[in-house]
Amino acid sequence: DIQMTQSPSTLSASVGDRVTITCRASESISSWLAWYQQKPGKAPKLLIYKASSLESGVPSRFSGSGSGTEFTLTISSLQPDDFATYYCQEYKSYPWTFGPGTKVEIK
Amino acid sequence: QVQLVESGGGVVQPGRSLRLSCAASGFTFRSDGMHWVRQAPGKGLEWVAVISPDGNYKHYADSVKGRFTISRDNSKNTLYLQMNSLRAEDTAVYYCVKDRGSGYYTGCLDSWGQGTLVTVTS
Repeated sequence: DIQMTQSPSTLSASVGDRVTITCRASESISSWLAWYQQKPGKAPKLLIYKASSLESGVPSRFSGSGSGTEFTLTISSLQPDDFATYYCQEYKSYPWTFGPGTKVEIK
Repeated sequence: QVQLVESGGGVVQPGRSLRLSCAASGFTFRSDGMHWVRQAPGKGLEWVAVISPDGNYKHYADSVKGRFTISRDNSKNTLYLQMNSLRAEDTAVYYCVKDRGSGYYTGCLDSWGQGTLVTVTS
């Protein structure tokens, strides 16, 4: 199975900050990576697919990059609505696996 | 607008069975792969199972293989998860999720239901 790691596990930031979350895969997954946002008590929401493609309706302040084993999610200017937990997920091969999550907190 | 509404969760004793349902609307259900993903209380996300649009292909996480069965009824736009031999570690919110691909499945999950809680306890 492909193992996914994320760093940091928690991130404290202020509104307007540029935020970067890193996701690493235990083997190459090419660009088969998605990013999801989850708020407490809610279902996850797809933000980015194929490593860098923005899902329809997602604000352009979110962007993704990377390929192979290292990926990043960047929020260019953090907004109040962005405080949440972010998960990466590989979808190269079964069983599709998620990273452990990164919680973005208010500083 | 895609809508996925899960039902069937509840409290069940270890070793017993439960069947979850997911009513889908707002898209061509018969054309899309569908998944179940679960989240234990306070924990991360775990992919559970996928089924192809025609129902002929299914894959499971090792943690549920042989105990859970995913199925679908395209005439009713409904997805199911039959869960047998339930264990305490199956306690989680179970999400019904639509695959982003059309006509097949990719593993990319683009629309999620609100989830239904399954609690396995004696």
